[in-house]
Amino acid sequence: EAEVAQSPRYKITEKSQAVAFWCDPISGHATLYWYRQILGQGPELLVQFQDESVVDDSQLPKDRFSAERLKGVDSTLKIQPAELGDSAMYLCASSSGETQYFGPGTRLLVL
Amino acid sequence: GQNIDQPTEMTATEGAIVQINCTYQTSGFNGLFWYQQHAGEAPTFLSYNVLDGLEEKGRFSSFLSRSKGYSYLLLKELQMKDSASYLCAALDSGNTPLVFGKGTRLSVIA
Repeated sequence: EAEVAQSPRYKITEKSQAVAFWCDPISGHATLYWYRQILGQGPELLVQFQDESVVDDSQLPKDRFSAERLKGVDSTLKIQPAELGDSAMYLCASSSGETQYFGPGTRLLVL
Repeated sequence: GQNIDQPTEMTATEGAIVQINCTYQTSGFNGLFWYQQHAGEAPTFLSYNVLDGLEEKGRFSSFLSRSKGYSYLLLKELQMKDSASYLCAALDSGNTPLVFGKGTRLSVIA
């Protein structure tokens, strides 16, 4: 069964450092989403791609966060510099229709 | 605005039935999703309702009433492995992001 891949699974960093997360969506899925989930909350959208184009990045803190999907397949989410409040689970999801399928997530801890 | 409400926590006994309710308010509506999320793991898809009524899938069923902005997830013959958070999420339209509730943490006890 096809799955969304993410790496790394866990990342510990110090504040002010740069971190990057990678996502490989299910093959053929044109739509890719990055969500952030704080403990005890539901996921909240950071950025949505349709192929290589950004569709919605209204909730992305653009002063420190960036995302790209250059060839319309895999995607990278970067944080620079990381802050303590960025500690969370970062989830990637992809879809070809209504249903979104999630990757295993990257759990980030900023010290 | 957009708002999804669901209970924060529920406890049920192994072998029993539990119903997790969800109410939603969205500007548009293209379906209601339920996801299961075990601690430290990613959400996994359980069900999608876009028409009124009950959808049954094994031990899990999901109900939708569009006129009432209401859905529930019904879990039968509860097992210990069903202990998880259950996320209700609404799709506003087309390929838009899901709007998630905060999740209901279900504890199944012996």
